[in-house]
Amino acid sequence: SSELTQDPAVSVALGQTVRITCLGDSLRSFYTSWYQQKPGQAPVLVIYGENNRPSGIPDRFSGSSSGDTASLTITGAQAEDEADYYCCSRDSSGDVIFGGGTKLTVL
Amino acid sequence: QVQLQESGPRLVKPSETLSLTCTVSGGSVSSGSYYWSWIRQPPGKGLEWIGHIYYSGSTNYNPSLKSRVTMSVDTSKNQFSLRLTSVTAVDTAVYYCARVSASGLNLFDFWGQGTLLTVSS
Repeated sequence: SSELTQDPAVSVALGQTVRITCLGDSLRSFYTSWYQQKPGQAPVLVIYGENNRPSGIPDRFSGSSSGDTASLTITGAQAEDEADYYCCSRDSSGDVIFGGGTKLTVL
Repeated sequence: QVQLQESGPRLVKPSETLSLTCTVSGGSVSSGSYYWSWIRQPPGKGLEWIGHIYYSGSTNYNPSLKSRVTMSVDTSKNQFSLRLTSVTAVDTAVYYCARVSASGLNLFDFWGQGTLLTVSS
């Protein structure tokens, strides 16, 4: 098994760009998916694959990966982007693993 | 639009068995393009993958829960289910069902609203 490590909290000024990172050895082998979760709601897929957005996700959300680090970037953060963000991948056994989550505050 | 809805008891006593069902609408659990998954989230904590099942009945479980978990699928009712035995307080969580792409297995594109299950006597 392996782990995915995320910063517990990140803040960004309204309209600025923020990068949320996810670190893990398994990211060298598997794509990362990213989920946004607002209080009291189910997670929502925002990025998957190399850098794909599901229908309805604003293009200010983008994803990238290099080595053991995956990143979710929000370019021009909006107040409604304030949420918890989780990365997700697979471990060396092929099992699904989630990062611990990053709480994004939009100032 | 695919929709998933969890159902089952909200309260389970310690040492008993948790049973939840997810009903899928707008899509078919028999689709070969998807697996069907359970994920949980203890109050105030992060997400934990429990496992997933294919329409054929093939399963993969989180190793940390494998000894207590059983998933099943009922294609005639377009449902899939979770059983977790010998529950304790640490199993208290919001339980989500979700659809997952067979091509990625970490791509959960549709989720149920979640159901809070409390383990308490």
